[in-house]
Amino acid sequence: DQQVKQNSPSLSVQEGRISILNCDYTNSMFDYFLWYKKYPAEGPTFLISISSIKDKNEDGRFTVFLNKSAKHLSLHIVPSQPGDSAVYFCAASQGDDKIIFGKGTRLHILP
Amino acid sequence: NAGVTQTPKFQVLKTGQSMTLQCAQDMNHNSMYWYRQDPGMGLRLIYYSASEGTTDKGEVPNGYNVSRLNKREFSLRLESAAPSQTSVYFCASSAGYYTDTQYFGPGTRLTVL
Repeated sequence: DQQVKQNSPSLSVQEGRISILNCDYTNSMFDYFLWYKKYPAEGPTFLISISSIKDKNEDGRFTVFLNKSAKHLSLHIVPSQPGDSAVYFCAASQGDDKIIFGKGTRLHILP
Repeated sequence: NAGVTQTPKFQVLKTGQSMTLQCAQDMNHNSMYWYRQDPGMGLRLIYYSASEGTTDKGEVPNGYNVSRLNKREFSLRLESAAPSQTSVYFCASSAGYYTDTQYFGPGTRLTVL
């Protein structure tokens, strides 16, 4: 049973617009959430994280929002740039337990 | 700093053959991990090592063995490869626990015929 769900396999966004990637989770005990970004033929790289004590974390063009009651988090990229075209993995963990990754969303930034 | 390195980059095996995937990190990290990535499946943890000399099973350990040779190196062995083990394998490391930022290697693309 999937504990971390990314229901959109792909997303296309115009350059300069906002990209919103969504992630849902089922385990209410998850207390730490991460986003990783992956380019083809490379390993994933850490992008941004958020603890369950916060509802928002911002790093430059990237903002992650957490809605604990809805068990939902989202990654906002503003403005979207061509280099943002990649696969984005949402991940979650409980305490010091292993990280559970979602299946990923492929983001295409259109010129 | 090379970060996390993996060898080989590509490998083709026949069913029943064995091989070892090598991973090394130069960041003095304590924890190391092996994941596999399959189409539409995300990243799934195979094995984990919190420190030299310790290893723990992850989500999908069957058919694999690991060895934490020293602090830098963490190898993954397939004793008798099966087509279901066709995948891209990533090694990662982190300073401490899982929630510390994990740094990934470039991956090994393995095909088992």
